[in-house]
Amino acid sequence: AQTVTQSQPEMSVQEAETVTLSCTYDTSESDYYLFWYKQPPSRQMILVIRQEAYKQQNATENRFSVNFQKAAKSFSLKISDSQLGDAAMYFCAQETSGSRLTFGEGTQLTVNP
Amino acid sequence: DSGVTQTPKHLITATGQRVTLRCSPRSGDLSVYWYQQSLDQGLQFLIQYYNGEERAKGNILERFSAQQFPDLHSELNLSSLELGDSALYFCASSPLGSSGNTIYFGEGSWLTVV
Repeated sequence: AQTVTQSQPEMSVQEAETVTLSCTYDTSESDYYLFWYKQPPSRQMILVIRQEAYKQQNATENRFSVNFQKAAKSFSLKISDSQLGDAAMYFCAQETSGSRLTFGEGTQLTVNP
Repeated sequence: DSGVTQTPKHLITATGQRVTLRCSPRSGDLSVYWYQQSLDQGLQFLIQYYNGEERAKGNILERFSAQQFPDLHSELNLSSLELGDSALYFCASSPLGSSGNTIYFGEGSWLTVV
C-alpha cells in the first residue's frame, strides 16, 4: 500500500523568506503523480502544484516549486517570498491508480510578519 | 471556487441517525470522489464513482454508502451514526477516473454527531 509521510507537523517562516516542506512517499509504481494541497482555515482543499513522476523537471507555479527526487522518493515543496496568505496546512499527496489520492499527515505552516 | 458544490455545509445530528450529503461535480467531470477528514484518521479516501459506476473503494464503513446519478451528481449516505463519524466530508471531482487527472475539491460538509 502507498504511504506518504510528512515529518514536519509544524513549520514557521518569516514573511518574504523561503521555506521548504518535506514529504516522502513509498510506491512500487514507476509512473505516478504527486501533489501538494493547501488547506487554509476555511478548510477548503486547494491544489498548489503537481508533479508527474516521469518528468525529471521539477514543477513550478509562481512562488511555489518542488524538489522531486524520484530515486529517494522525496517530494519537497519550496515556498519563496512567503506571504501571510500562505499560512495554512499543507498536504502532500500521491495518486494511486484511478486518481485516488493518499495523503500525508500535513504540515501546519505559520507565516510571521 | 473549485466548481465542486457540496450541501449541506454544516450538519448536526444525533447518534443513530442517518444523513445524506450531496455533491455536484465540476461541469464536465465524470468522476466523483468522497474523502473523510477527521482529527484521528486524517484525510482518507472513501469511494470513487465514474460515470455512474463505482470505480474504487477505500476505507468506507459498511454503514456508509454512495451513488452517482445519471446527471453525475453524487450522494453519500451515512447511517447509524456514531460520535466517531463526526468529520469533514469532502467531495472531489476530476474529468476522468484515470491516472494524472487533477482532482478538485469542494468546500466540504461538516458533520457533527452528538
